[in-house]
Amino acid sequence: DAMVIQNPRYQVTQFGKPVTLSCSQTLNHNVMYWYQQKSSQAPKLLFHYYDKDFNNEADTPDNFQSRRPNTSFCFLDIRSPGLGDAAMYLCATSTAGPQSHTQYFGPGTRLTVL
Amino acid sequence: GQQVMQIPQYQHVQEGEDFTTYCNSSTTLSNIQWYKQRPGGHPVFLIQLVKSGEVKKQKRLTFQFGEAKKNSSLHITATQTTDVGTYFCAGWGDGGSQGNLIFGKGTKLSVKP
Repeated sequence: DAMVIQNPRYQVTQFGKPVTLSCSQTLNHNVMYWYQQKSSQAPKLLFHYYDKDFNNEADTPDNFQSRRPNTSFCFLDIRSPGLGDAAMYLCATSTAGPQSHTQYFGPGTRLTVL
Repeated sequence: GQQVMQIPQYQHVQEGEDFTTYCNSSTTLSNIQWYKQRPGGHPVFLIQLVKSGEVKKQKRLTFQFGEAKKNSSLHITATQTTDVGTYFCAGWGDGGSQGNLIFGKGTKLSVKP
């Protein structure tokens, strides 16, 4: 089945130790998104890729970076995780172009920062 | 900037009671989407509304988009325990930005059997 896969599902890192979260999709969607969701809050968009074009949200900290080496994969790099970065990180995809397309979410990676 | 407000934040109902969550935007939306997130799960798309005044139904769920395209509602008739979760509205602004999908804070529904 076509889907959005995130690995790992749970990630524990130490304060300041770089961590990478991965997302892959078999939907062949042009757009891939990374969201941060803290407990009892709405998903907050960090950035997205439209094909190879990277679009950063204005309030996304520099500590967060992303890479998309090909259509199927997208990575979220947190260079120096702080305690406040503990959250669920959701990857989502959608078809290209218009705002009207559905977003398909992966199961998320729950990040714990010790 | 554009904001999407959603109320109530929490709703506790007895099984069989109805439930409604409301979503209001500070600006006109090109369309609005609704997602459901089960406890411990990820958001799952429910529906999209595009036209002014549009009403769509999915079994016991009724979705409405306001005439001014600035508000929306989700109504569940005769709730069941399987309806438990957080319901998010998410609106696309008219600005045309590819990533300009703004989520409401969600309404967390609990259903007492």
